[in-house]
Amino acid sequence: EAGVAQSPRYKIIEKRQSVAFWCNPISGHATLYWYQQILGQGPKLLIQFQNNGVVDDSQLPKDRFSAERLKGVDSTLKIQPAKLEDSAVYLCASSPGRNSYEQYFGPGTRLTVT
Amino acid sequence: QQPVQSPQAVILREGEDAVINCSSSKALYSVHWYRQKHGEAPVFLMILLKGGEQKGHEKISASFNEKKQQSSLYLTASQLSYSGTYFCGTGNSGNTPLVFGKGTRLSVIA
Repeated sequence: EAGVAQSPRYKIIEKRQSVAFWCNPISGHATLYWYQQILGQGPKLLIQFQNNGVVDDSQLPKDRFSAERLKGVDSTLKIQPAKLEDSAVYLCASSPGRNSYEQYFGPGTRLTVT
Repeated sequence: QQPVQSPQAVILREGEDAVINCSSSKALYSVHWYRQKHGEAPVFLMILLKGGEQKGHEKISASFNEKKQQSSLYLTASQLSYSGTYFCGTGNSGNTPLVFGKGTRLSVIA
């Protein structure tokens, strides 16, 4: 079974530029998560989707971050404009849902904002 | 509210045991445990959904004391492959968003 796929793996941009990350969850997984992990800290949830609906986006900085999950499968996370403090690893995870909540993480995208 | 993990870091020799604690100031429904090796994604270890439930995975087990709002991860006869940062994630319902602790860095040396 293929795992969670993410791209790109690395991205370097200048502040005020925009960037987009892509995630393809494990086939059949209803729930998809985007996390931000700053070096030395635990993952921080940005947004959680159940199929193509948003379950929680309370910690998503909506003035600059946006996310969508079209057709309940792939998802994209966008930052526009980026700030220096956005430098982090962005992790996508998925879980089966339906009373099965273990999360499977993708390899992440390491973003550096200069 | 972010759960508190202790200790922050621990160094073990192969074969030694370790306990990692995770406590919350809020009532808990679930506790997840993940291990992350340097430069890699977190990997799921186990989830505990009921108060007092214990689960095990080979020589790694965990307990969940709902009343005390805490969970402990037990690593017995540690192996070099156990090295990494262990995170607990807590939730207050089945599919609620998890809040992760800051992690416990475990180093196993020969």
